[in-house]
Amino acid sequence: KQEVTQIPAALSVPEGENLVLNCSFTDSAIYNLQWFRQDPGKGLTSLLLIQSSQREQTSGRLNASLDKSSGRSTLYIAASQPGDSATYLCAGGGGADGLTFGKGTHLIIQP
Amino acid sequence: GAVVSQHPSWVICKSGTSVKIECRSLDFQATTMFWYRQFPKQSLMLMATSNEGSKATYEQGVEKDKFLINHASLTLSTLTVTSAHPEDSSFYICSAREFQRGGGELFFGEGSRLTVL
Repeated sequence: KQEVTQIPAALSVPEGENLVLNCSFTDSAIYNLQWFRQDPGKGLTSLLLIQSSQREQTSGRLNASLDKSSGRSTLYIAASQPGDSATYLCAGGGGADGLTFGKGTHLIIQP
Repeated sequence: GAVVSQHPSWVICKSGTSVKIECRSLDFQATTMFWYRQFPKQSLMLMATSNEGSKATYEQGVEKDKFLINHASLTLSTLTVTSAHPEDSSFYICSAREFQRGGGELFFGEGSRLTVL
């Protein structure tokens, strides 16, 4: 059964810094890996999807990588802004199955 | 991106009553939808996989008689919490996978916050 772990659980950095969020998963036979953002009391916003055949995806200031052999993914946020403050969730899944989520990284960007 | 809509966004009910939550894919067809539950400060836990035209598949530990799932069409799945109790209070989120444009990307509804008094 897939297990997803996210490190760190919480992170607080000054505005403008670049940062990396880490995600590890136990079953390398994943269909894809997805990063989400969740604001307090809200649903999920999909940030980046990396299919199993891909190694990274980029969207604006966000870059996510996937290394299936080591069971790791990272989300890189460049030039962080206060509006980036949220909980970031990593999730891995397989085809017709639902995603297995990590517990998230609670990110605070200090103005 | 594809849009998944949930209704209601929040509901308060008395213990013992049943509550229905709807999940709709607005601009794509979803043969499979997923229902998750999220307790405060916890991550999302998959409850069940909803398959259009067939019975849902429940995760271990999820009572199928308590959480009734119906996937009557390619754009609608419903979750009914029967005889709700305070411990069922949670944030319920549905999702659907969009294959045509998203390469299998999973899109989520805004969630439904259930409070059972």
